[in-house]
Amino acid sequence: QVQLVQSGAAVKKPGASVKISCEASGYPITSYAMHWVRQAPGQRPEWIGWINAGNDDTRYSQMFQGRVTITRDASANTAYLELSSLTSEDTSVYYCARRGALYGSLYFFGVWGQGTLVTVSS
Amino acid sequence: DIVMTQSPLSLSVTPGEPASISCRSSQSLLHRNGDNYLEWFLQKPGQSPQLLIYWGSHRASGVPDRFSGSGSGTDFTLKISRVEAEDVGVYYCMHALEAPFTFGGGTKVEIK
Repeated sequence: QVQLVQSGAAVKKPGASVKISCEASGYPITSYAMHWVRQAPGQRPEWIGWINAGNDDTRYSQMFQGRVTITRDASANTAYLELSSLTSEDTSVYYCARRGALYGSLYFFGVWGQGTLVTVSS
Repeated sequence: DIVMTQSPLSLSVTPGEPASISCRSSQSLLHRNGDNYLEWFLQKPGQSPQLLIYWGSHRASGVPDRFSGSGSGTDFTLKISRVEAEDVGVYYCMHALEAPFTFGGGTKVEIK
């Protein structure tokens, strides 16, 4: 069964960094792109970026450029999102979501992680 | 960035009655390959978004056939032919034509 299991909730102080994991099961993580999306309370989801299948290329939203890093460990079948210089505005639920190759036959968000709540508070 | 606009903000529907949600994009989502890169999701309270429709009109695996998507270019519609109690939640459209992907503001569906 294909699923994505994320790490648990985190509480961080302003200025700190957070690293969230997303462990895939049921398929090799390098065979699909992994995207990250966040959702602040009561708000629409917001796309953060992705890591490509196979070649580890990454692409980030300009909103997060310079303080976001998406990586992947094939041996652990896990993807990671790291966000630095946190402020209260980064308080959100963060989701990983699997997507097929660009414009290919599986190019849609078919599988999502359960979400990880990150709270930024002094 | 492409702006996604949904309407209405909320819907209150009697079980068994139809419902319709509109999504408009600030630029065409029609790729040169002929596909519209527009997805519809339902987010139930406390859950992750779940895919209903991809490429504008393709129903995702396991999604009941009472859900249908239509439209092309900049105007899209999600229809529920007969709303059931389990359909409550917030519906979002999202474009996937190019980075950054962006989501509509959401339509909250509740049962009368």
